[in-house]
Amino acid sequence: EEQLVESGGGLLQPGGSVRLSCTASGFTSNNHFIHWVRQAPGKGLEWVARINPGGTHTVYADSVKGRITISRDGAKNAVILQINSLRADDTAMYFCARVGTGTQHFYYGMDVWGRGTTVTVSS
Amino acid sequence: DIVMTQSPLSLSVTPGEPASISCRSSQSLLHGNGNNYLDWYLQKPGQSPQLLIFLASNRASGVPDRFSGSGSGTDFTLKISRVEADDVGVYYCMQGLQTPLIFGGGTRVEIK
Repeated sequence: EEQLVESGGGLLQPGGSVRLSCTASGFTSNNHFIHWVRQAPGKGLEWVARINPGGTHTVYADSVKGRITISRDGAKNAVILQINSLRADDTAMYFCARVGTGTQHFYYGMDVWGRGTTVTVSS
Repeated sequence: DIVMTQSPLSLSVTPGEPASISCRSSQSLLHGNGNNYLDWYLQKPGQSPQLLIFLASNRASGVPDRFSGSGSGTDFTLKISRVEADDVGVYYCMQGLQTPLIFGGGTRVEIK
């Protein structure tokens, strides 16, 4: 079964850092675009970052640009999201999702999502 | 940035009845390759989102044919032909044409 599992969240201090992992199983994550999407408590979905297959190109939401880095750990079949200078409004469930691939269409949507990891920023 | 607007905010539907959700984008989502980069996702209570429709009208693998997507350019619709109890949750449209990817505000569907 193709799965993504997020880890690394927790209760963190404002100004601190956190390293979230998105570990794939059942497929090679390096072959897919991978996105991070977050959801603040009781709110909607907010796209955060994307990394391309191979990890050579990254894109970030303006709300996190300069504080967030997305990268790949090929040895662990994982995608990493490093968040620095944590703020209260970073408090959210963080999901990773892969973009599907195939031969019939140009794009397949985010077809596999993890269950998420919770980041709470509070003193 | 593209703005995505969904309506209605919430919907209460009798099982077996149809339901329809609208999504409008502030810019055309039609790519030069002829595809509209509009997805629909359902987030069931306590779960992560799941893909229903990609490229405006293509059902994802395993999605029942009760779900259909239509539209082009800036106006899109998700239709559920016969709502079932398992369809409850929040439905989001998302533009995938350009970054930043933007989700609509969501439509909450409940069963009467």
